[in-house]
Amino acid sequence: AQKVTQAQTEISVVEKEDVTLDCVYETRDTTYYLFWYKQPPSGELVFLIRRNSFDEQNEISGRYSWNFQKSTSSFNFTITASQVVDSAVYFCAPRTGGRRALTFGSGTRLQVQP
Amino acid sequence: ETGVTQSPTHLIKTRGQQVTLRCSSQSGHNTVSWYQQALGQGPQFIFQYYREEENGRGNFPPRFSGLQFPNYSSELNVNALELDDSALYLCASRGDRYEQYFGPGTRLTVT
Repeated sequence: AQKVTQAQTEISVVEKEDVTLDCVYETRDTTYYLFWYKQPPSGELVFLIRRNSFDEQNEISGRYSWNFQKSTSSFNFTITASQVVDSAVYFCAPRTGGRRALTFGSGTRLQVQP
Repeated sequence: ETGVTQSPTHLIKTRGQQVTLRCSSQSGHNTVSWYQQALGQGPQFIFQYYREEENGRGNFPPRFSGLQFPNYSSELNVNALELDDSALYLCASRGDRYEQYFGPGTRLTVT
């Protein structure tokens, strides 16, 4: 069985603060892919990043960075210098090699105040 | 924009009726998936089609069915609608690195 946990239901920050969104993915699979999606109020899911389970190198892309630690099953996503346009619900969504679908977490609602 | 389009945008149906939702996937993407997203929850996988064949299904009853056409567009059909079927239905086409590109969704309300 696999389990995706996004423990933070809602986060509120002031513009320009850094914010980290947590995700824990528990699985017995040794090979999997992890994705983060953003869903703004308009409703459309926007693909943000993809990581492999066999690649623990952390990366930075613009204001986004992600920290993947396989030993603790954590896959965290950080937005640096948040902006009001970052306000959305963020979903962590793993995909295992055998399944043909994404398993979405419950999501974290991020509110960035001006 | 992802290039994935869905129609209609909104739909209101009565319990017991049947509904068909449509999706055009991104050009060149031959794999399409459908998800159901209830209010306040994450999307739940319904099924996936690859080259006109269903090749994966989530925990949804048979009254949820689908089709994929040679141009890779797709349909989701739901028979005998129930109140709990009210949700946002999302279509996604798969890129070459397993990432999924979602359409804007169809909001279905069952009364």
